[in-house]
Amino acid sequence: GAVVSQHPSWVICKSGTSVKIECRSLDFQATTMFWYRQFPKQSLMLMATSNEGSKATYEQGVEKDKFLINHASLTLSTLTVTSAHPEDSSFYICSAYLDRGNEQYFGPGTRLTVT
Amino acid sequence: GENVEQHPSTLSVQEGDSAVIKCTYSDSASNYFPWYKQELGKRPQLIIDIRSNVGEKKDQRIAVTLNKTAKHFSLHITETQPEDSAVYFCAAGRDSGYSTLTFGKGTMLLVSP
Repeated sequence: GAVVSQHPSWVICKSGTSVKIECRSLDFQATTMFWYRQFPKQSLMLMATSNEGSKATYEQGVEKDKFLINHASLTLSTLTVTSAHPEDSSFYICSAYLDRGNEQYFGPGTRLTVT
Repeated sequence: GENVEQHPSTLSVQEGDSAVIKCTYSDSASNYFPWYKQELGKRPQLIIDIRSNVGEKKDQRIAVTLNKTAKHFSLHITETQPEDSAVYFCAAGRDSGYSTLTFGKGTMLLVSP
């Protein structure tokens, strides 16, 4: 149990385009999911908390108009990187809480490369 | 907000030796401290966690200790094996449902055969 998937696993896009990343909890319901960004050899930086049926909570310094989050169901949250630029290239990872515990289960990550 | 410091940034040991990674945190309200292992290009995996009502927790070769007074917690790996080589992250948060976690910068552990 507690499997989190992400799609796509990697994506290459041109500067100025938008990219959508999906995060799904496969065998449990997740009212809250988290989106992290990880640069090479660096730590996980929380970008935002995604809440089912309400607006996401963004961390300081994260542009909500650039990183659009939609948590439309109990098993799916999406992160859309709008008007992507090369500096947005990174590893994006989502996570979800299994309700019965406080453990965060991570997705496999999406490697975004913006050319 | 919470601030988590992690040391060392890299740690090289010989197979069979012990490895210790230390973290400090700043928010006295934090009471949940998980440790994650991340292999290159893969997702972080929870390996052990501790809550503030206990001072030590052990799971086979892995143990975690917590000193709430000093606001620090440590990961201990005994009898290290090459497959233990990975980046280890500590984190701190509140044990109250869906709270956020603040991660340390990570420690790259290299276990040489």
